[in-house]
This record gives sequence, structure tokens and C-alpha cells, in this order.
Amino acid sequence: ETGVTQTPRHLVMGMTNKKSLKCEQHLGHNAMYWYKQSAKKPLELMFVYNFKEQTENNSVPSRFSPECPNSSHLFLHLHTLQPEDSALYLCASSQDHRGAGGTQYFGPGTRLLVL
Amino acid sequence: EDKVVQSPLSLVVHEGDTVTLNCSYEVTNFRSLLWYKQEKKAPTFLFMLTSSGIEKKSGRLSSILDKKELFSILNITATQTGDSAVYLCAVGSGAGSYQLTFGKGTKLSVIP
Repeated sequence: ETGVTQTPRHLVMGMTNKKSLKCEQHLGHNAMYWYKQSAKKPLELMFVYNFKEQTENNSVPSRFSPECPNSSHLFLHLHTLQPEDSALYLCASSQDHRGAGGTQYFGPGTRLLVL
Repeated sequence: EDKVVQSPLSLVVHEGDTVTLNCSYEVTNFRSLLWYKQEKKAPTFLFMLTSSGIEKKSGRLSSILDKKELFSILNITATQTGDSAVYLCAVGSGAGSYQLTFGKGTKLSVIP
């Protein structure tokens, strides 16, 4: 148990659906992250929030929309996804995005399948 | 563009063997190198290395960083079936903001 939870753990959606992924951290951290992990590819950083402010957006398509209402919660809103968006979506948190260490603790992930 | 390369990509060993996993990197403004173990879903943190030549140990696992040659190794001695996992190397970089770049991972399979 790493102190980072994600829901749902599995999600199947059609290309016209709208859904949201939720992440919550109980570690008192100030930075939260969304990663995408596709088969046989490295983890890809999608978004970074530091103190609720978005600091990174790594050229992610607009069909993915993040929301960070406070330092403990992070959402990823999904709409009109494509089958190639099927992947494991991992949330992580760290003490501070600008800190020297930056050890990130990961949630269990949401396995997303887009039909 | 920051790059992290892990080798081998996969490895099969017998219980009791010792393995060495490699991670080389090319990044701008290196800050730290991290090793994670990913069994089913969530990567779990193993080590963070920031200084060259200082070995970090945790039980049968150890890791060391060479900032001159830009690589790190992760050693696992007396392997057990429970060590079977994907081992991820990530390098933290950035002058102001901090970004982790991950390698593809090494899939380790330990057979009885």
C-alpha cells in the first residue's frame, strides 16, 4: 500500500463515451502526476501538477483533460478517445515537483480499454 | 531529448543466481536516478541515487551510479521467484521543474 489510490481499477469505454479517472494521495505530497503505460513502451509522463498548478503538459491530446482541485486529488477526464489510447494509466505523487529528490510514489493504475 | 536505455530487455535466471541490470542515460541537467520494481501494476520505489560511487543496499538488492560514464547498475543476489518483475530505471532532470524519464524496463523471470 503506497498511499496513492486510483479508481476505477479497470474501465472499458466506447469512443463516444465520457469518463473520469480519479487519483487520491494520502501522503501529504504537493505534486501529482499522470502517466500512460502502453505495452512495450516506456512510461510516458502526461501531466504534472505542483501545488494544484499545472506545470507540465507533454503534448497530450485535448481528449485528455486533467483537473486538480486540491493537492490530494487528481482527475483525468476522458472524452472521444481512440482505441490506441488503451493503456494503463498511472497516477503518482511526490513531495514537491521542484525538489532535488523527486521520489515518486505510484498508485495501482487504471487499466483502460477503448473499443 | 532525454534518453534512458535499459539492458537487457528481458532476462531468465534460476533461483539463487546473481543478476545485474543496466541503465544508461543521456539527459540535460541530471538530478537523480531512480530504480522501481513493477510486478503487476504500481511501480514500487527501490532506490534513489544522486552521487557517484556510493552504493545503496537493501537486503539482496544494491545499486550504484556512475555520473561520469552516465550509467547505473542494479544487482540482485541469491535471486528468488518473488524477484520476478519488470525493473524500471528513471532519471530525474530539469533546471527548474523536475521531470522523470523512464526506460523501457528489464523483465526479470526467476525460475525455480
